Amino acid sequence: GQNIDQPTEMTATEGAIVQINCTYQTSGFNGLFWYQQHAGEAPTFLSYNVLDGLEEKGRFSSFLSRSKGYSYLLLKELQMKDSASYLCAVRATSGTYKYIFGTGTRLKVLA
Amino acid sequence: DSGVTQTPKHLITATGQRVTLRCSPRSGDLSVYWYQQSLDQGLQFLIQYYNGEERAKGNILERFSAQQFPDLHSELNLSSLELGDSALYFCASSVVEFPYEQYFGPGTRLTVT
Repeated sequence: GQNIDQPTEMTATEGAIVQINCTYQTSGFNGLFWYQQHAGEAPTFLSYNVLDGLEEKGRFSSFLSRSKGYSYLLLKELQMKDSASYLCAVRATSGTYKYIFGTGTRLKVLA
Repeated sequence: DSGVTQTPKHLITATGQRVTLRCSPRSGDLSVYWYQQSLDQGLQFLIQYYNGEERAKGNILERFSAQQFPDLHSELNLSSLELGDSALYFCASSVVEFPYEQYFGPGTRLTVT
């Protein structure tokens, strides 16, 4: 089966660093994506990983280990506006390409 | 603004009815994806079109159908609506270069009463 697991909720303090983990089991793998979604709004693309290792993009970094089926999103210097859901998605390859999304991690940033 | 447009923004209808949701992808994007997001649920992939052809199917009900037109806009048709179909419906389009990340429209909030 295809499965993506993320923690449901996390809380962190403004200015801190938070790591959101994602584990996946999919048929085939062609990339892992992170999206940010504010309540009632559309998801917006944050980052992707195709090869193992760390990808850095400003305050956001994403890590991938394909052998472990594991990724994390690291957010530094947290701001109040980072309060949102963070969705982990895998582009799976099982005949055709499909995007499988996790249920998301709701992050609350406290002052 | 992602460049993906969806209409209408809100839709309220009764059980048993049929509705059509419309999506226009970003300029240059050939792929269109439809997703359903129920309250506190993840994005559920429904269907993908590429340049007018159905490319992949997810957990799309038989009561639901979609198509992509020559101008690349897409429509999602939902029929015999049930209360459980109330959800946010997102359309996304993806770039033509690897890694083919998706850009989402603002969504259509469907309420079935």
